[in-house]
Amino acid sequence: DQQVKQNSPSLSVQEGRISILNCDYTNSMFDYFLWYKKYPAEGPTFLISISSIKDKNEDGRFTVFLNKSAKHLSLHIVPSQPGDSAVYFCAAWVFGNEKLTFGTGTRLTIIP
Amino acid sequence: ETGVTQTPRHLVMGMTNKKSLKCEQHLGHNAMYWYKQSAKKPLELMFVYNFKEQTENNSVPSRFSPECPNSSHLFLHLHTLQPEDSALYLCASSQEGRAGGELFFGEGSRLTVL
Repeated sequence: DQQVKQNSPSLSVQEGRISILNCDYTNSMFDYFLWYKKYPAEGPTFLISISSIKDKNEDGRFTVFLNKSAKHLSLHIVPSQPGDSAVYFCAAWVFGNEKLTFGTGTRLTIIP
Repeated sequence: ETGVTQTPRHLVMGMTNKKSLKCEQHLGHNAMYWYKQSAKKPLELMFVYNFKEQTENNSVPSRFSPECPNSSHLFLHLHTLQPEDSALYLCASSQEGRAGGELFFGEGSRLTVL
């Protein structure tokens, strides 16, 4: 049973427009949600996180929204830049459990 | 020096070979992890070490054998692997108890089993 789901394997967005990546989860016990970004031939790097007690967290061009009632979170990137082209993983974490649960990833391509 | 270093970056081995993957972290963290990334699958947690003690073995076949000699080094010993074990193996580290569960990943070791 996949507890964290990213239903869109790929997404293409025009440079300068908004990119919206979605993630759904099933476990209501998750305390934190994280987004990781991965370039080819590199390991994932942490991008932004949000606590389950918040509904929004913003860091520069990146904003993560959390809708607990819908068990849904999204990552907004605006404006999108060519360097944002990568695979984005959604992950979730339960406090006290050192295990992060990852989604399958969404490949974002920014079109110049 | 990067935070988490993995060697080798690429490895090709036959099913009867024995090889090892190495991971080293320079971040002073006390928890280290092995993850497996296969195509079109979520990152799969394999092993967790906290303060050099293995705290999780996520039903990993015995042909994968981890070793954590100290809190900075982690190995994954490989023996009689199968072609379906071909994947990207990622090492990560974190500071146990740190809110948010943020992991710092290495660049990965791409393994191909022939």
